[in-house]
Amino acid sequence: KAGVTQTPRYLIKTRGQQVTLSCSPISGHRSVSWYQQTPGQGLQFLFEYFSETQRNKGNFPGRFSGRQFSNSRSEMNVSTLELGDSALYLCASSLAGASLRDEQFFGPGTRLTVL
Amino acid sequence: GQQVMQIPQYQHVQEGEDFTTYCNSSTTLSNIQWYKQRPGGHPVFLIQLVKSGEVKKQKRLTFQFGEAKKNSSLHITATQTTDVGTYFCAGRTGANNLFFGTGTRLTVIP
Repeated sequence: KAGVTQTPRYLIKTRGQQVTLSCSPISGHRSVSWYQQTPGQGLQFLFEYFSETQRNKGNFPGRFSGRQFSNSRSEMNVSTLELGDSALYLCASSLAGASLRDEQFFGPGTRLTVL
Repeated sequence: GQQVMQIPQYQHVQEGEDFTTYCNSSTTLSNIQWYKQRPGGHPVFLIQLVKSGEVKKQKRLTFQFGEAKKNSSLHITATQTTDVGTYFCAGRTGANNLFFGTGTRLTVIP
């Protein structure tokens, strides 16, 4: 089975721009979660989608949004980028999602740099 | 708010020495998971603990979940250079959000 894929792998943007990141989960996995990883804050949960619905949300501003499509692929969008948004954005998929305590399979991440 | 703290933040050991990282939550967890992230890589699932007082072993790794389900530990016996990386615990609460610990970065000196 192919693993979780994320595109693009690297991205450079300037302040004020917006960005869309994409994640394709493992085939058959219906839950997709997004995380932000920075050296200072560690791994922070952004949100989780399950069957096209946002099921859980972390403590991030409304500039961070996401969606999930019927094929379970997910996108996250960050609008009005700030310097502090520079981070590794990780997507993780699981078979059934948070409520059933499934392990998370992480993708390689998208490294976003905001200049 | 929910916090999952890990100690130590960094650990340097000589190859062959043992290593332990501890995870503490401010609230009771429904379960706890452990992940390993190699330098430049992404987190990889190691194990999940669900029951109070549960102990699981994977070769040289021993995982424990506290009786109160608020703390957990990962112990590696006789570390090897392949053990290098950052070890994260991740706990679920009743709200089902997964909170990752701050991580412990392990360096193994050959």
